[in-house]
Amino acid sequence: IQLTQSPSSLSASVGDRVTITCQASQDINNYLNWYQQKPGKAPKLLIYEASNLQTGVPSRFSGSGSGTHFSFTISSLQPEDTATYYCQQYDTLPPFPFGPGTKVEIK
Amino acid sequence: VQLVESGGGLVRPGESLRLSCAVSEFSVSSNYMSWVRQAPGKGLEWVSVIHGGGRTYYADSVKGRFAISRDNSKNTFDLQINSLRNEDTAVYFCAISFSFSSLEYWGQGTLVTVSS
Repeated sequence: IQLTQSPSSLSASVGDRVTITCQASQDINNYLNWYQQKPGKAPKLLIYEASNLQTGVPSRFSGSGSGTHFSFTISSLQPEDTATYYCQQYDTLPPFPFGPGTKVEIK
Repeated sequence: VQLVESGGGLVRPGESLRLSCAVSEFSVSSNYMSWVRQAPGKGLEWVSVIHGGGRTYYADSVKGRFAISRDNSKNTFDLQINSLRNEDTAVYFCAISFSFSSLEYWGQGTLVTVSS
């Protein structure tokens, strides 16, 4: 199973709504995670099972989708959201690849 | 929860290296322990997982050269990397999940540099 993400990078203003999409090469039900990675840091789990917010993650982050098409949204972009975002599938058995990532910057 | 990697460093092509991840708060024997790597300036690459029952899985890119294992008495898990190649140069992260699902906790990463 392969994952594609779009866009590969984006620049938006503080307060903007930002959406990233992730497409799987085959049906993965809702077995998709979203991670945030800041430079020099380990990734951080934000969303699991496509739409469930990890404990402690701000509610401006959300996810949706099932099957092969998924989206990740930041409802009101904040300066601290500058990072690269990755989707990852975990349908059935490993391997569990990541998408190529989307770099989000503040305009 | 703390995961601390060790064992990274500078190695020559063809050599071997063993990375280790020490885990606190959760048992390596009953959870799913993974390795993920990131080449300089590149994205995340899932590498391997060992689950509670001991079964192991690998990315196709490392199958046959990498071996994941765990030491229940020390609550650690390792990644043995053989026949190192330049393209294995990366930060290697260890991570824990509670099933074949989300990588909930991560270590800080250890850098492996393969160069002659």
